[in-house]
Amino acid sequence: DGGITQSPKYLFRKEGQNVTLSCEQNLNHDAMYWYRQDPGQGLRLIYYSQIVNDFQKGDIAEGYSVSREKKESFPLTVTSAQKNPTAFYLCASSLRDRGSNQPQHFGDGTRLSIL
Amino acid sequence: KNQVEQSPQSLIILEGKNCTLQCNYTVSPFSNLRWYKQDTGRGPVSLTIMTFSENTKSNGRYTATLDADTKQSSLHITASQLSDSASYICVAARQLTFGSGTQLTVLP
Repeated sequence: DGGITQSPKYLFRKEGQNVTLSCEQNLNHDAMYWYRQDPGQGLRLIYYSQIVNDFQKGDIAEGYSVSREKKESFPLTVTSAQKNPTAFYLCASSLRDRGSNQPQHFGDGTRLSIL
Repeated sequence: KNQVEQSPQSLIILEGKNCTLQCNYTVSPFSNLRWYKQDTGRGPVSLTIMTFSENTKSNGRYTATLDADTKQSSLHITASQLSDSASYICVAARQLTFGSGTQLTVLP
């Protein structure tokens, strides 16, 4: 079955530590996205990529970094510069860019907490 | 500033009853309006996508409406089931601005 796989499901970060969240899709989608979800708030865009080797900052990119070396993979690194990283992180993909009428497909998220 | 506001924040209904969720949006440019269902601890799943030329779209017991003039959308759920308990999220594109969701609880 085609879909998006995020791992791990739960992740704990120590002070000063960088952590990487994995996102893999086998839908052959060009565009991929990372969102952060906090209680009572809408999803906020961290980074998105419309094509391999290209990505753009979203609304809350500070303290995060990404890479897009393969079409299927879009890992997110939460750096020590992100002072409030505790949140539910969602990865998504779509056939074409976010301005199109194609739906986004989401993974089941990674919940990141601070030790 | 692009905004999507949903109401009510939470709603409790009895199994078998109908309900309607509301979404008001202020986004520019606008291309489409989306509704997603998000179960607790899971990622959102697409229910409908409507362009500005569409007034209504159905997906099983879910029917979405769109009034592009007043910038309002609604999601109507018919004959609710326990499995409908979830957060329902409204999203306005092109910039994909997300609402904070309506938490629906269906009781037996």
